[in-house]
Amino acid sequence: KNQVEQSPQSLIILEGKNCTLQCNYTVSPFSNLRWYKQDTGRGPVSLTIMTFSENTKSNGRYTATLDADTKQSSLHITASQLSDSASYICVVSDRGSTLGRLYFGRGTQLTVWP
Amino acid sequence: EADIYQTPRYLVIGTGKKITLECSQTMGHDKMYWYQQDPGMELHLIHYSYGVNSTEKGDLSSESTVSRIRTEHFPLTLESARPSHTSQYLCASSDTLTSGNPDTQYFGPGTRLTVL
Repeated sequence: KNQVEQSPQSLIILEGKNCTLQCNYTVSPFSNLRWYKQDTGRGPVSLTIMTFSENTKSNGRYTATLDADTKQSSLHITASQLSDSASYICVVSDRGSTLGRLYFGRGTQLTVWP
Repeated sequence: EADIYQTPRYLVIGTGKKITLECSQTMGHDKMYWYQQDPGMELHLIHYSYGVNSTEKGDLSSESTVSRIRTEHFPLTLESARPSHTSQYLCASSDTLTSGNPDTQYFGPGTRLTVL
């Protein structure tokens, strides 16, 4: 069964600190991996997207890495801000259908305290 | 910010009522999707559409139905709501890009449905 597992389930950090969120997947074949940020009561917003040949992608203070061999990805947040408090969702797409099916993780709930 | 809208944002109704959740996008995207999301859980695809007059059921069985009469509009209907339908419903759209470019789904703000 294709799965996307994220850890930790929740995380609390102080403002200004860095943190790293993990994503392990078993989706095969693999097309691409996305990290989304979902604020409470809102829809997810795309942060980064990486294909098989990419192993790192940055978007401001967000840096995503991908190891396609071990099927692991991480999202590193630098110098956290209160507005970073949200759920971060790892989404993996396969190449098995014309739709490019998406497999969603349950997300890591990040809380940034002042 | 993506130009995709959902109404209502919150809805509390009684069992047995018929409801329609609206979703509209102004980006001209051909693909549209409906997801169901419970707190702390992953998104589950319940319906999708490749274009006008195209609708398909997703991975999660749902008693809801959808229609795609216009490119920009993808409403979801529940004929008789039940407490088990209580959830957050997210609409998304994406464009068919040139080969090799993964398309990104843009999500609406969601509708929080509570059935009493």
